[in-house]
Amino acid sequence: EAQVTQNPRYLITVTGKKLTVTCSQNMNHEYMSWYRQDPGLGLRQIYYSMNVEVTDKGDVPEGYKVSRKEKRNFPLILESPSPNQTSLYFCASSLERGVTDTQYFGPGTRLTVL
Amino acid sequence: QKEVEQDPGPLSVPEGAIVSLNCTYSNSAFQYFMWYRQYSRKGPELLMYTYSSGNKEDGRFTAQVDKSSKYISLFIRDSQPSDSATYLCAMIPNSGYALNFGKGTSLLVTP
Repeated sequence: EAQVTQNPRYLITVTGKKLTVTCSQNMNHEYMSWYRQDPGLGLRQIYYSMNVEVTDKGDVPEGYKVSRKEKRNFPLILESPSPNQTSLYFCASSLERGVTDTQYFGPGTRLTVL
Repeated sequence: QKEVEQDPGPLSVPEGAIVSLNCTYSNSAFQYFMWYRQYSRKGPELLMYTYSSGNKEDGRFTAQVDKSSKYISLFIRDSQPSDSATYLCAMIPNSGYALNFGKGTSLLVTP
């Protein structure tokens, strides 16, 4: 089954404790990205990756890191989480950047930073 | 001013009604326009996309783009309770990479 998986689905942590949210897709997609979704603000892109070893900032990259060492995986790293990073996070992938390619979204990771 | 504006609702309609969902935008460089549907506790899924101005129909769904007014719409005919979800518009310029999302409109279709 074609899918994007994220882990963990729910995470409660404390300020300053490094964490990683994993994202994996099994569709051999080139393009992957991370979004955060907040009430009243909607979905905002954090980082995206056009291909292996190629990443770039989206609209709200501060406080986040990403890496793309393999095509299928695109982890999101919070080196020192803060309460304002409490949010619902989505990973997405598509065959190419082109908008005619369907972006598949993962199920989401709900992060709470205390 | 946010680049993409969308009324958050909630919008409640009876089963069988025609639903109209709308977004306005300010960036005239947007060329691709998309509608996503998001069920509770799920990720968004692409419903439809259109390029530039015009209409596109897919079953009960029709997407309209009016670039002169910077206004896009999604119409749902014969709405069903299973259409209850949040609908997000998104747009991207020809030369850009990031999807610009509206905040989403929450729709409830009651039996």
